Amino acid sequence: GEDVEQSLFLSVREGDSSVINCTYTDSSSTYLYWYKQEPGAGLQLLTYIFSNMDMKQDQRLTVLLNKKDKHLSLRIADTQTGDSAIYFCAENSNTGKLIFGQGTTLQVKP
Amino acid sequence: DGGITQSPKYLFRKEGQNVTLSCEQNLNHDAMYWYRQDPGQGLRLIYYSQIVNDFQKGDIAEGYSVSREKKESFPLTVTSAQKNPTAFYLCASSIRVGQYSNQPQHFGDGTRLSIL
Repeated sequence: GEDVEQSLFLSVREGDSSVINCTYTDSSSTYLYWYKQEPGAGLQLLTYIFSNMDMKQDQRLTVLLNKKDKHLSLRIADTQTGDSAIYFCAENSNTGKLIFGQGTTLQVKP
Repeated sequence: DGGITQSPKYLFRKEGQNVTLSCEQNLNHDAMYWYRQDPGQGLRLIYYSQIVNDFQKGDIAEGYSVSREKKESFPLTVTSAQKNPTAFYLCASSIRVGQYSNQPQHFGDGTRLSIL
């Protein structure tokens, strides 16, 4: 069945790069997404990538997609304390629904 | 500004009571969704609607009901049949592209429901 998996926790120092990884199962997904959730708030769409792309860069964010291994990653360059949040990976299923991972808590230490 | 408004931000339910969570969007989106989030877990889909006057059950629809009488509004009722309703509820909307493909979903700020 459809499943999205992420590691649960990542801790980095301010100024370092963060890499959050995700694996998915539905090879027919057309879009893959990264959302950010700050405490007590809703989800903010950070970026997304079409399944026919390998990489997408948007300022400090770089998304890499390995379709063969069904692996998606989000790299945040020069990580700041304001980047501390939960990051969710999601794929769209062939019924139009989004399938979310459990979320990765990013802790940024000063 | 366009966006998705959920109200109230906090809601308390007594035993045996139905409560309704509001979700309104002015983005002119066709599709709307309700998710439940429990601590340390991802989002689970409760109900979704691709078009007015039509909606489908998600993965955890039992104990919940919805209506979609207007494009802008998709209220969720948590009924007394939902035995563990304490959670964070998130509403989302998106542009619908074709029968099975939607644009990215945009989320409201959520409603936190607790049991008295």
